[in-house]
Amino acid sequence: GDSVTQMEGPVTLSEEAFLTINCTYTATGYPSLFWYVQYPGEGLQLLLKATKADDKGSNKGFEATYRKETTSFHLEKGSVQVSDSAVYFCALTIRNTGNQFYFGTGTSLTVIP
Amino acid sequence: DGGITQSPKYLFRKEGQNVTLSCEQNLNHDAMYWYRQDPGQGLRLIYYSQIVNDFQKGDIAEGYSVSREKKESFPLTVTSAQKNPTAFYLCASRVQGARTDTQYFGPGTRLTVL
Repeated sequence: GDSVTQMEGPVTLSEEAFLTINCTYTATGYPSLFWYVQYPGEGLQLLLKATKADDKGSNKGFEATYRKETTSFHLEKGSVQVSDSAVYFCALTIRNTGNQFYFGTGTSLTVIP
Repeated sequence: DGGITQSPKYLFRKEGQNVTLSCEQNLNHDAMYWYRQDPGQGLRLIYYSQIVNDFQKGDIAEGYSVSREKKESFPLTVTSAQKNPTAFYLCASRVQGARTDTQYFGPGTRLTVL
């Protein structure tokens, strides 16, 4: 079936450190891949997405590249800020099928000054 | 502004009472979803609707009911049959097209059953 596995947290980093949150997937068709961010007490916000192999999604300094050969979509940021503290969810859906979205369990990130 | 609204943000109910959570969207999206989120956990799908007057059960539909009488609205009722209803509930809508397929979320409703 379709699923997403993401790195367990929590992750604690110092400000300006490099961030990587791993995400791998299994898919029965052609997936679109997403990263969502959730701040405390709020809903999920779309952070970035990629719809085909080798696409790179980027937003607010975050990047992720859709790697078909390794079935991965790792989230990276070169220099994190305290304001990046949140929970990050990796997700996929199979394009044009109307299927569900499948979410990872979330990775909590805390950035300390 | 276009978006998804959920009300209320916080909801308290006594055990054994039914309660209805509101979800409204003005994005003109056909598909809408309800998820449940428990502390430190991911999202679990309760119900979804791809079109007006049609909906399907998700992974944890027992104890919940929905209706989809209008494109803009997808209310969720948490019934007394739901054994552990205290949770954070998220509504989402989905845009699907030739070049896009993305889900957008509302701000959530935190339900506490006393």
